[in-house]
Amino acid sequence: QVQLQESGPGLVNPSQTLSLTCTVSGVSISTGGYYWNWIRQHPGKGLEWIGYIYYSGTSYYNPSLESRVTMSVDTSNNQFSLKLTSVTAADTAVYYCATRLVIAGSNYWGQGILVAVSP
Amino acid sequence: DIQMTQSPSSLSASVGDRVTITCRASQGIRNDLGWFQQKPGKAPKRLIYAASSLQSGVPSRFSGSGSGTEFTLTISSLQPEDFATYFCLQYNTYPLTFGGGTKVEIK
Repeated sequence: QVQLQESGPGLVNPSQTLSLTCTVSGVSISTGGYYWNWIRQHPGKGLEWIGYIYYSGTSYYNPSLESRVTMSVDTSNNQFSLKLTSVTAADTAVYYCATRLVIAGSNYWGQGILVAVSP
Repeated sequence: DIQMTQSPSSLSASVGDRVTITCRASQGIRNDLGWFQQKPGKAPKRLIYAASSLQSGVPSRFSGSGSGTEFTLTISSLQPEDFATYFCLQYNTYPLTFGGGTKVEIK
């Protein structure tokens, strides 16, 4: 059974870098056809797709965040990560990792992690 | 970016009611659309993919239709566990974009 779990600090200072990790179990992160996504949801609001990374390192970021986003894959630990620089209060959100969003059949989400940006 | 306009943003309904939610895409997306249900404090759960294919394990009272720019999620007979927020997601073109959500509340 595929499971994803987000981890990272729940509080980040403004202008600093938000760093989150998603630990994957039940499937190798190097399995073909699995694109590893980050999505966020501002409190009480809708969903915003941040981007994806493939095990090869290929990535695609939402142009609205592209200048501040970096994603990476750690195949040895079966994890992938998100870094978002120069955060402001507008980056306060629940951050989800997810996979198989554009593929028929099962898709998988982490439980989400709330990250607040505050001094 | 493809804009997904979802309506209504909220609705009140009774158990047993038929409920319809619509998503309109700003350009044609074939049938590259999914519908998700989200309950408070939980991750979204996909109900429908490819506009009309029911995800395994999802009750048959949920159905999806549409192609191109107009899509519909229908709940044929609303059950107590269906009170939640529903989102559409287009995956025809990156960046992926979601509809604004429809909150289904108890009348």
